[in-house]
Amino acid sequence: KQEVTQIPAALSVPEGENLVLNCSFTDSAIYNLQWFRQDPGKGLTSLLLIQSSQREQTSGRLNASLDKSSGRSTLYIAASQPGDSATYLCAVNTAGNMLTFGGGTRLMVKP
Amino acid sequence: DAGVTQSPTHLIKTRGQHVTLRCSPISGHKSVSWYQQVLGQGPQFIFQYYEKEERGRGNFPDRFSARQFPNYSSELNVNALLLGDSALYLCASSLITEQFFGPGTRLTVL
Repeated sequence: KQEVTQIPAALSVPEGENLVLNCSFTDSAIYNLQWFRQDPGKGLTSLLLIQSSQREQTSGRLNASLDKSSGRSTLYIAASQPGDSATYLCAVNTAGNMLTFGGGTRLMVKP
Repeated sequence: DAGVTQSPTHLIKTRGQHVTLRCSPISGHKSVSWYQQVLGQGPQFIFQYYEKEERGRGNFPDRFSARQFPNYSSELNVNALLLGDSALYLCASSLITEQFFGPGTRLTVL
């Protein structure tokens, strides 16, 4: 059974810092991994999708890496802004488009 | 193009009642999935439908059921509601593998 863990559970940083969010998974037989952002009480916004054959994806200030063999992914956020404050979720797709999610990292960026 | 839409936005029910939640996928997407997100946790997979057929089911009791219609919209039904069913119910649609989520339906069971 696939299990996904995100560390840290919560993070508070001053504006402008570069930061790294971690995601680990137990079964390396994945199709892809997605990072999402969730604002309080809202749905999920897809940030980045990394296919199992890829090592990283970039979008603006976001960079996600994938090391399938070690069961790890990281989301790097450069020059953090208060508007980045949200919960970040990673999810792995192991079979038939059924996502297994981690518990999320709650990020607070202070002005 | 509109994204994934869900209705209603919020819902309050009492224990023992049943509820129907609705989802319309992004135009052209034939796959719809349902997830339950309890406060403070990550979403958990409930069902996936593709071309009106159930393709996957998570570890949820038989009180939970779903279906997909010819226009690819979907309904999630929950019978005999329990307090523990209070959650944000999320619908996602996909064309190939990337999943796009709707805003969710907040269900409160009293």
